[in-house]
Amino acid sequence: QKEVEQNSGPLSVPEGAIASLNCTYSDRGSQSFFWYRQYSGKSPELIMSIYSNGDKEDGRFTAQLNKASQYVSLLIRDSQPSDSATYLCAVNNPGGYNKLIFGAGTRLAVHP
Amino acid sequence: ETGVTQTPRHLVMGMTNKKSLKCEQHLGHNAMYWYKQSAKKPLELMFVYNFKEQTENNSVPSRFSPECPNSSHLFLHLHTLQPEDSALYLCASSQDWRGGIEQYFGPGTRLTVT
Repeated sequence: QKEVEQNSGPLSVPEGAIASLNCTYSDRGSQSFFWYRQYSGKSPELIMSIYSNGDKEDGRFTAQLNKASQYVSLLIRDSQPSDSATYLCAVNNPGGYNKLIFGAGTRLAVHP
Repeated sequence: ETGVTQTPRHLVMGMTNKKSLKCEQHLGHNAMYWYKQSAKKPLELMFVYNFKEQTENNSVPSRFSPECPNSSHLFLHLHTLQPEDSALYLCASSQDWRGGIEQYFGPGTRLTVT
C-alpha cells in the first residue's frame, strides 16, 4: 500500500471553476500535511500547510483535513490557466525526525 | 537573494566522472535535505541533515556522498553514477528537526548521466 496516494490525473477544469484535489495517507500518526505546486520543469513550491482537522483558507486555496478518514484535500476556487501544474501532497512521517512522504502528484489542467 | 539556491542547474556527466552539487540556503534554517525526482515517480528523500549532523540516509547507494559543512551549505558528491541516476536533484531546507516544519525547495539540478 502506498503511503500517500493521489490520483495522477489529469484533472481538467474550466477557467473559473473549483478544482478539487484529493490525497489519502496510510500512517494514522501523521500530524502535518502540506500541499506543494510544481510547474513543469520547476521545483515544488509550498502553497498550504494544515495541522488540525477542518478547513484552512488562504486566498483562493482551501485545505481540508480529516484525520479520522486519513484524507486531506485542496480546493482551488476561481481556477485560472496559471494554476495548471502538478500538485503534490506531503505528509510527515511520525517516526523519522522531519521526514516528509510525498505523493506522486495530481496534474491539474485549467482550460480557458 | 532567493531562499534556497542550487548549482549547477544542469549537469551532464559520464559514468566515470566525479562531480558535486551545491546547495545554499539564506533562510536561517537548521535542517537541509537532498531529494531525487525521477519522471513519473514521487519525490524520494535521500538525506537529511539537522544542525550539520546527518539524521537520515534513506538507503542511498554509496556513489552518492553528502557533505554538510554548516547549516547553510549542503553538497552532494557524485562518482561512478549509472544512467538510471539521471533525474532532478532537489535541495530543501526547513527551520529545524521537529517533524512537520515546512520545507522550502531550491530550483534543482537536472542531472543526465551518459
